Amino acid sequence: DQQVKQNSPSLSVQEGRISILNCDYTNSMFDYFLWYKKYPAEGPTFLISISSIKDKNEDGRFTVFLNKSAKHLSLHIVPSQPGDSAVYFCAARGIISNFGNEKLTFGTGTRLTIIP
Amino acid sequence: DVKVTQSSRYLVKRTGEKVFLECVQDMDHENMFWYRQDPGLGLRLIYFSYDVKMKEKGDIPEGYSVSREKKERFSLILESASTNQTSMYLCASSSLGYLKLNIQYFGAGTRLSVL
Repeated sequence: DQQVKQNSPSLSVQEGRISILNCDYTNSMFDYFLWYKKYPAEGPTFLISISSIKDKNEDGRFTVFLNKSAKHLSLHIVPSQPGDSAVYFCAARGIISNFGNEKLTFGTGTRLTIIP
Repeated sequence: DVKVTQSSRYLVKRTGEKVFLECVQDMDHENMFWYRQDPGLGLRLIYFSYDVKMKEKGDIPEGYSVSREKKERFSLILESASTNQTSMYLCASSSLGYLKLNIQYFGAGTRLSVL
């Protein structure tokens, strides 16, 4: 069962406009949510995160919004730049043992293409 | 800068071969992870380890095993490679401690083709 879902496999946005990437989850026990960015032939790199007790976190051009009642988060990129073209994965953290072991559950990814 | 190094970028193996994928991290991280990435399926956790000689199954451990003899090194083993194990394999590491968010840092990946 897919606990973290990204329903849009791809998204194209004009340079300078806003990119909005969406993610839905089902497990209310997740305590952090993260966005990773992946270029071809490279590993994913961490972009931004949000705690489950917050509803917004901003870092430069990137803002993540969390709607806990809807179990939905979104990543906004403003303004979009050609270098933002990549695959974006959302991920959710769960604590899985009394020792504090944690794991991330990833979505399927959204390929963002910024059109110059 | 955190560095996670995967020994091979590309590997081609034959069905039935035993395959070793190696990963080394230089940040003294307690946690290490192996994922596979497939189109339309995202990243799926195969195995992880939170200490030397400790291992835990992830979501898709069948057909795989792991070894962690030293803190900095985590190996993924395909005992008898099959064509459905053709994939991109990603290693990651992070600190331990659930009171704060521990970012997972990824290697560049190994693209494995099993023929």
